[in-house]
Amino acid sequence: GDSVTQMEGPVTLSEEAFLTINCTYTATGYPSLFWYVQYPGEGLQLLLKATKADDKGSNKGFEATYRKETTSFHLEKGSVQVSDSAVYFCALRYSSASKIIFGSGTRLSIRP
Amino acid sequence: DTGVSQDPRHKITKRGQNVTFRCDPISEHNRLYWYRQTLGQGPEFLTYFQNEAQLEKSRLLSDRFSAERPKGSFSTLEIQRTEQGDSAMYLCASSLAGQGQVDTQYFGPGTRLTVL
Repeated sequence: GDSVTQMEGPVTLSEEAFLTINCTYTATGYPSLFWYVQYPGEGLQLLLKATKADDKGSNKGFEATYRKETTSFHLEKGSVQVSDSAVYFCALRYSSASKIIFGSGTRLSIRP
Repeated sequence: DTGVSQDPRHKITKRGQNVTFRCDPISEHNRLYWYRQTLGQGPEFLTYFQNEAQLEKSRLLSDRFSAERPKGSFSTLEIQRTEQGDSAMYLCASSLAGQGQVDTQYFGPGTRLTVL
């Protein structure tokens, strides 16, 4: 079945470091791909999305490119801030379907 | 900011008791979703409504679980005869479905259930 695998955390970085969180997916079709973020004490928020191969989603300095050939959607940010500390979820969804399939999440902690 | 709201935010109950959670979606959103999130895992889909019709249910939704959306606005999720394995965060999301692009689901803060 369809699934999402993302790198295990926690990931701890210093402020201004470069961030990569790896995400790969298994899908029978051509889903849309998402990154959601969950800040402490808050609900899940959509961070960015890409709906087809080679699309790049971006928001708040984060980027991810839909790579069909490697079935990947890695999240990157050039310079992280303490306020980026959160749990990040990679996810997929088909346009014809209702449910989002989430990865298990990666906890990111940024040291000042 | 009238986002998705859920009530209660926390619920502690004893095994065997029934519990009911409420979700109020963003006004005019026609789709409403329930997910369950256990510690260290991503959310797992339980069920969804389009207006008042329940259109899909996961096999995770055992007979002890029932969800309703009687007037196509708020929704309730009831768990009967709770078990310790039901302890989790229950998330609600809503979206406005239209033609074309995939609709964005907006999540509420969740209800954390602890079954003793």
